[in-house]
Amino acid sequence: DTGVSQNPRHKITKRGQNVTFRCDPISEHNRLYWYRQTLGQGPEFLTYFQNEAQLEKSRLLSDRFSAERPKGSFSTLEIQRTEQGDSAMYLCASSLRRTGKSEGEQFFGPGTRLTVL
Amino acid sequence: GENVEQHPSTLSVQEGDSAVIKCTYSDSASNYFPWYKQELGKRPQLIIDIRSNVGEKKDQRIAVTLNKTAKHFSLHITETQPEDSAVYFCAASINNQGGKLIFGQGTELSVKP
Repeated sequence: DTGVSQNPRHKITKRGQNVTFRCDPISEHNRLYWYRQTLGQGPEFLTYFQNEAQLEKSRLLSDRFSAERPKGSFSTLEIQRTEQGDSAMYLCASSLRRTGKSEGEQFFGPGTRLTVL
Repeated sequence: GENVEQHPSTLSVQEGDSAVIKCTYSDSASNYFPWYKQELGKRPQLIIDIRSNVGEKKDQRIAVTLNKTAKHFSLHITETQPEDSAVYFCAASINNQGGKLIFGQGTELSVKP
């Protein structure tokens, strides 16, 4: 499968615990995005990377959230001290941005469904 | 920041009828407008997109129109089929500002056989 992959697919945790999710983008894609989707809503932008550089983070995002893309390939999203309100589907997407060209299509992964008890 | 409003939230049509979903955006700098289809439990998948230098784009039974002056864009599906049933999301982005997508709230389309 050469699409975007995410692990784990499901995560159940207790309030106050830390969780980490992983996203593997399409191999040649230099941009990687994290979104959060709650039931009945559209995906909400969280942060994005171009190669290993984190270029933007949503102003609405709590400091408990941190993301990395250390080698410009896979990315991790960590949530510290989880709260029940963090329960959602966390989606990763990747795209290819060529210099001087318009943004390419964003391909989404299957998501990680987080349930905080 | 950008805000995208999408209507209707639910839409039910008979097989073979047309379906229209409308979105408005707030930031006049937005220049890329994709539409995603999300089936239950699946990832969003791009079905069509349009850039601000084009007013209309068609791909078989699907078309998108863009009115930059009014800041709204619409998805048109003709000859609907039961397999078109899904949630559809519009989105807007500003290409030279990172390409993050701002999504509408979604439209649940139901096509009845």
